[in-house]
Amino acid sequence: DTGVSQDPRHKITKRGQNVTFRCDPISEHNRLYWYRQTLGQGPEFLTYFQNEAQLEKSRLLSDRFSAERPKGSFSTLEIQRTEQGDSAMYLCASSDRDRGLYEQYFGPGTRLTVT
Amino acid sequence: RKEVEQDPGPFNVPEGATVAFNCTYSNSASQSFFWYRQDCRKEPKLLMSVYSSGNEDGRFTAQLNRASQYISLLIRDSKLSDSATYLCAVNPGGKLIFGQGTTLQVKP
Repeated sequence: DTGVSQDPRHKITKRGQNVTFRCDPISEHNRLYWYRQTLGQGPEFLTYFQNEAQLEKSRLLSDRFSAERPKGSFSTLEIQRTEQGDSAMYLCASSDRDRGLYEQYFGPGTRLTVT
Repeated sequence: RKEVEQDPGPFNVPEGATVAFNCTYSNSASQSFFWYRQDCRKEPKLLMSVYSSGNEDGRFTAQLNRASQYISLLIRDSKLSDSATYLCAVNPGGKLIFGQGTTLQVKP
């Protein structure tokens, strides 16, 4: 059983640099979600895709953040001009809405530290 | 007011105890509800889904009260391995809205 995978698992970057994260959902899951989690808080929704279409973006997703899912399979999340406040765990999840299932399954996350 | 609220705890209980967590939500249009378990520095793992009035899986029981807009999680016969953070999540359409999480520490 192949779950959601994310790469890299850890990223340390200097303020002002750009970073890109990748998420591979569970095979055949048509929906893919990005969340951000900081210490002591629950995950906060960022954006989600149904196949290649981006259906919703949170107000948290400033213009420095962009996400793509070009072929409806893997997705990338890019943060431009990183700030220290971007330090968080970035979580990806997927669900099989084609079968009417609402459950979302999470990947191991990418932990970002901006110095 | 937050859309989903949980008591962060921590709840410290002895092994074998029964413990219950509550979670309230504000969006009455929400249709599906979930409990996730999260270990320190790990990803949330789906524990239970709650679509109708409730769901039971072994020592775990989740209940939904739509009139009062809350869901609960009951853990019976607590094990040391149940120590974790329990996240409540509500699906108002598409995305999940999470609570802050409730920390459980089960002591020997």
